[in-house]
Amino acid sequence: NAGVMQNPRHLVRRRGQEARLRCSPMKGHSHVYWYRQLPEEGLKFMVYLQKENIIDESGMPKERFSAEFPKEGPSILRIQQVVRGDSAAYFCASSTNIQWPQHFGDGTRLSIL
Amino acid sequence: DQQVKQNSPSLSVQEGRISILNCDYTNSMFDYFLWYKKYPAEGPTFLISISSIKDKNEDGRFTVFLNKSAKHLSLHIVPSQPGDSAVYFCAANPGGSSNTGKLIFGQGTTLQVKP
Repeated sequence: NAGVMQNPRHLVRRRGQEARLRCSPMKGHSHVYWYRQLPEEGLKFMVYLQKENIIDESGMPKERFSAEFPKEGPSILRIQQVVRGDSAAYFCASSTNIQWPQHFGDGTRLSIL
Repeated sequence: DQQVKQNSPSLSVQEGRISILNCDYTNSMFDYFLWYKKYPAEGPTFLISISSIKDKNEDGRFTVFLNKSAKHLSLHIVPSQPGDSAVYFCAANPGGSSNTGKLIFGQGTTLQVKP
């Protein structure tokens, strides 16, 4: 399966812990987007990265959230000191360039106890 | 401020009939629109897109219509099949000189196709 791979599919954390979500884009795709979906809502853009660069982080909360897309390896969305309000489905998408449709992974469902 | 709106949370149609899903947007600068289908516990799957320079795009059973003056687009599925039952999201690319490709999504419409 050459699709966008996200892991873990489900992640449970206690308040105050750190959550790390991983995304491997489709082969040949160098553009990675992260979105968050709260219950009963649509997806909300968080951040757009290319290899080693954050291009647009206008949707990222100002604190506790960070993202990276290193030269080697998957993109990582990191949430420090998680709170209950961080419970959501986090989706990663990739594309060949900004003019082409984004293809999504199956998401990571984050639950905060 | 919801820039992309899908005002119908749900829609139910009979198998074989046409399904029409609607989407409104507020920003006339949006220049690229997409429809995604989503099953539970899966990621959105790209269905069809349309550029703002067109008013119609067709792909098999799926057709998207764009009315720029009304800031409205719709997705037609004909004939509808039970496997089409899913949540459908409309999304827009804000465009502009600083376009980064980020998508703005509507809230989604749950389509149920009854056998």
